[in-house]
Amino acid sequence: QVSLVESGGGVVQPGGSLRLSCAASGFTFSDYVMHWVRRAPGKGLEWVALIWFDGNTRHYAESVQGRFTISRDNSKHTMYLQMNSLRGEDTAMYYCARDHEIAGRMSLTFDFWGQGTPVTVSS
Amino acid sequence: IVLTQSPATLSLSPGESATLSCRASRSISTYLAWYQQKPGQAPRLLIYDSSNRASGIPARFSGSGSGTDFTLTISSLEPEDSAFYYCQQRYNWPPITFGQGSRLE
Repeated sequence: QVSLVESGGGVVQPGGSLRLSCAASGFTFSDYVMHWVRRAPGKGLEWVALIWFDGNTRHYAESVQGRFTISRDNSKHTMYLQMNSLRGEDTAMYYCARDHEIAGRMSLTFDFWGQGTPVTVSS
Repeated sequence: IVLTQSPATLSLSPGESATLSCRASRSISTYLAWYQQKPGQAPRLLIYDSSNRASGIPARFSGSGSGTDFTLTISSLEPEDSAFYYCQQRYNWPPITFGQGSRLE
């Protein structure tokens, strides 16, 4: 059974840093592209970043480019999101999500999601 | 690519059918997905590539459309269908983008 469990969220001051983790189980982690998606209070879903199977290719939303870094450790079945220079607008529930494979290829849709970890940026 | 969903809120009775729309700012072929999110829960993939139901999704949920106009139809509504519904495109990325959501009551 596929499981994704996020951790590491919390309250941080503007300009601060946090590192989120996503522990995966129930599937071959290294076979899948993985994503971070967030939902700010009262707003819709926003894709944040993705990382290739081997971690060598990464893409980011413009709103986090240069401040956030996505990474993964396939030996630990875990993905990370290092968030630096945090701003109020980064306040959100952060979800990790698995890429949905279609015919054995990545599809850039999300078929399994974790329950999320909350991040609040406030002084 | 900007996705615009309508209506913002839809209120219906059990047994009725719901039609939710998603319009793309330019053609995205059929590279559109739909998700359901209930309060306090993670989103759930309903439909991918415009009309393909994800694993375990009831046949009451159906998707259609291509180009710029897409529809999610939910027939025989049940109270547990109350949720936010989001469309998402994968045609032109990064970024992967979502619509702003429609609330179904």
